[in-house]
Amino acid sequence: EAGVTQFPSHSVIEKGQTVTLRCDPISGHDNLYWYRRVMGKEIKFLLHFVKESKQDESGMPNNRFLAERTGGTYSTLKVQPAELEDSGVYFCASSQGSNEKLFFGSGTQLSVL
Amino acid sequence: GQQLNQSPQSMFIQEGEDVSMNCTSSSIFNTWLWYKQDPGEGPVLLIALYKAGELTSNGRLTAQFGITRKDSFLNISASIPSDVGIYFCAGPSSGTYKYIFGTGTRLKVLA
Repeated sequence: EAGVTQFPSHSVIEKGQTVTLRCDPISGHDNLYWYRRVMGKEIKFLLHFVKESKQDESGMPNNRFLAERTGGTYSTLKVQPAELEDSGVYFCASSQGSNEKLFFGSGTQLSVL
Repeated sequence: GQQLNQSPQSMFIQEGEDVSMNCTSSSIFNTWLWYKQDPGEGPVLLIALYKAGELTSNGRLTAQFGITRKDSFLNISASIPSDVGIYFCAGPSSGTYKYIFGTGTRLKVLA
């Protein structure tokens, strides 16, 4: 069974550009989460989808971040326009039930120069 | 908001030694998850705990759900070089399905 996959694994962009990250959860997992780890600090919650609906987006830093999960399968996280402080590793995780184990992807390392 | 504090922040140990680390919160958790992150990889789930007092093992790893439900412990016995990494605890924030993560314990094993 395939795990959570994320694309790209690395992205280097200039300040002001747009970047879109993609996450494919484990098949059958209704719950999809986005997290971010900045500069070796703790892993911070960004948002939570249940199927295609945003259950909780309280961790989204600002309106430059837009997450979608059309059709309740894969999800995208777009940053537009990117700022220097957006650099970090963006992780996606999925779970079958809402209060069950989270399985993580390998992350996308985003560098904004 | 809720926070999970892990200690120690980092530790250097000799191969073969046992390791203990913990995770504490000022509020109650109903689930504790322990993860390990290797460089360049996502966190990998090690152990999940669902009941106060529960003690669960996974090979050389043993984790306990604290009786107060405000803490959890992870022990690694007879450490080996591949135990190197960052260990995170996580739990669902009160009244939500949002998992929050601890500050991490960075483990280095000296051969």
